[in-house]
Amino acid sequence: QITLKESGPTLVKPTQTLTLTCTFSGFSLSTRQVGVGWFRQPPGKALEWLALIYWDDDKRYIPSLKSRLTITKDTSKNQVVLTMTNMDPLDTATYFCAHTDLAMAGTGFQYWGQGTLVTVSS
Amino acid sequence: EVVLTQSPGTLSLSPGERATLSCRASQSVDSSYLTWYQQKPGQAPRLLMYGASSRATGVPDRFSGSGSETDFTLTISRLEPEDFAVYYCQHYGSSLTFGPGTTLDFK
Repeated sequence: QITLKESGPTLVKPTQTLTLTCTFSGFSLSTRQVGVGWFRQPPGKALEWLALIYWDDDKRYIPSLKSRLTITKDTSKNQVVLTMTNMDPLDTATYFCAHTDLAMAGTGFQYWGQGTLVTVSS
Repeated sequence: EVVLTQSPGTLSLSPGERATLSCRASQSVDSSYLTWYQQKPGQAPRLLMYGASSRATGVPDRFSGSGSETDFTLTISRLEPEDFAVYYCQHYGSSLTFGPGTTLDFK
């Protein structure tokens, strides 16, 4: 059974750095073709992909935010960490992590965390 | 970067009716990289279709996907009450992009 859970601060101040952790179980991020992605969704708005890391440490970022994002993995802890610098109130959103397995569901993300709401406010 | 547009923005139908949701890409894409999700309020997205036409595990067969190049369709053959939600298409390419979503609500 694959599960993912996001954790991190619920409130950050403008200009601060956000660090979110995705802790997962039921799969290994050292397994070929497996990846974990981060997404966000501002209240009432559409989904937006942020970053993706694969089993081989291949990393992808949304071009518009690439300079602010860093994604890393800790295979031994079953965690993926996303950092986003210089937070702005426009970054207020629910942040999700999700699992992808190219061998199982192509480029779709089959399993998702419940999401964590991050509010950016002074 | 591929830009996805979805139509209609809102689709108002009744249970038992057929729903046809459209996703259009700004350029021709490989259908292998076109995905559909369903999202209900307060919940994470649920993977419905990948590769444009392959149903994800556990997805009922009333859901089907089709299309190629720039035009893709998600069809729900006979709506059940639990199908009323927001639907997103997504493309995986040099970047991952989502469409703005189609809200399927009760007529």
